[in-house]
Amino acid sequence: GAGVSQSPSNKVTEKGKDVELRCDPISGHTALYWYRQRLGQGLEFLIYFQGNSAPDKSGLPSDRFSAERTGESVSTLTIQRTQQEDSAVYLCASSGESSGNTIYFGEGSWLTVV
Amino acid sequence: KQEVTQIPAALSVPEGENLVLNCSFTDSAIYNLQWFRQDPGKGLTSLLLIQSSQREQTSGRLNASLDKSSGRSTLYIAASQPGDSATYLCAVKSGGFKTIFGAGTRLFVKA
Repeated sequence: GAGVSQSPSNKVTEKGKDVELRCDPISGHTALYWYRQRLGQGLEFLIYFQGNSAPDKSGLPSDRFSAERTGESVSTLTIQRTQQEDSAVYLCASSGESSGNTIYFGEGSWLTVV
Repeated sequence: KQEVTQIPAALSVPEGENLVLNCSFTDSAIYNLQWFRQDPGKGLTSLLLIQSSQREQTSGRLNASLDKSSGRSTLYIAASQPGDSATYLCAVKSGGFKTIFGAGTRLFVKA
């Protein structure tokens, strides 16, 4: 696609429910990143994919968080048993040699846990 | 462990002024450094990417420099405009794939 696409753009969920966030990277980009940004805060690294493998999962805050990527394309970030502290915008980005390794971000998925 | 610091945290300038935003990093073994802009409630927009072998990059009124040995990068904005008001973030990619972001500088350009 022309840019990084994320869905849903907004999600309100009840505490304890599971949520799935989706990211469609730019076509041909082998690297994919997930970041979390709480209101008024900086970007917090969650996970990085190179192809379908995740060499760096060090940023996932707990075992309630998991992510996968298939077909060297779409990625999903799953949060189980959501807590109010999970409320944030979840940003996905991708990069590839075809675009000089510049990182491009999606508009984010805004998650509110009530 | 790579750490990225941006100074100042916030900056307010009158329209037309030239300004410099600073970014410093602790590990000089970087792959590249990228400057982004973030508008309130929006995602990040890439401004400039500097590869580790480069000293500077320019795009319009923006010029970014990189000094790896001192662990510093600067973003120079010429003839600032109210539309430049946003948060500016620098991001450093090191050999371990992870790209680390600074906390950003919030810029406000007064008309």
